Amino acid sequence: DAGITQSPRHKVTETGTPVTLRCHQTENHRYMYWYRQDPGHGLRLIHYSYGVKDTDKGEVSDGYSVSRSKTEDFLLTLESATSSQTSVYFCAISDRQGLGEQYFGPGTRLTVT
Amino acid sequence: SQQGEEDPQALSIQEGENATMNCSYKTSINNLQWYRQNSGRGLVHLILIRSNEREKHSGRLRVTLDTSKKSSSLLITASRAADTASYFCATDGWRGKLIFGQGTELSVKP
Repeated sequence: DAGITQSPRHKVTETGTPVTLRCHQTENHRYMYWYRQDPGHGLRLIHYSYGVKDTDKGEVSDGYSVSRSKTEDFLLTLESATSSQTSVYFCAISDRQGLGEQYFGPGTRLTVT
Repeated sequence: SQQGEEDPQALSIQEGENATMNCSYKTSINNLQWYRQNSGRGLVHLILIRSNEREKHSGRLRVTLDTSKKSSSLLITASRAADTASYFCATDGWRGKLIFGQGTELSVKP
């Protein structure tokens, strides 16, 4: 998985609790992305980062925030989890902006009860 | 904001046969990419074809791009059981970011 790890790999949490997912890369790639994958919707971009402390919203960013304090780490936080955020979350990295090849982590399966 | 749409949604073939899946898109693109996803895993980049290219090969994979028809096809020749996976196309989407289709589920039976 191209030097990308995600933690935790599985998580069950209750509605209203905060949740943080971590993406860690060892490739020193500048660009990092968070996606969610849901049946019938494919992959949808949540947030992305162009570099340390440089992040921006994706297509489905409501209810999510991100932070990138180091090149290698990109954190996704659900401030107050809702059942609609039950999904599989993927982190991806790229050394090219926007439309370059992306390399994906193994995913985190999050269930919000 | 759906851009690439794969067809068929599911495909079942025997080992040794060729598998063809298609991707159609709506607006002009810079490039088009194909990814594979094995069950329970992340996506793996297979091949990128630029808008000024018509065909590209990588091992048993052949990708074509027809910008006049706004479509691409991925051909896997001499398929193997290990090719069983979902295949996604991705192309220009929201604010210059990649947008992924919903995928074709390929099942290769031994």
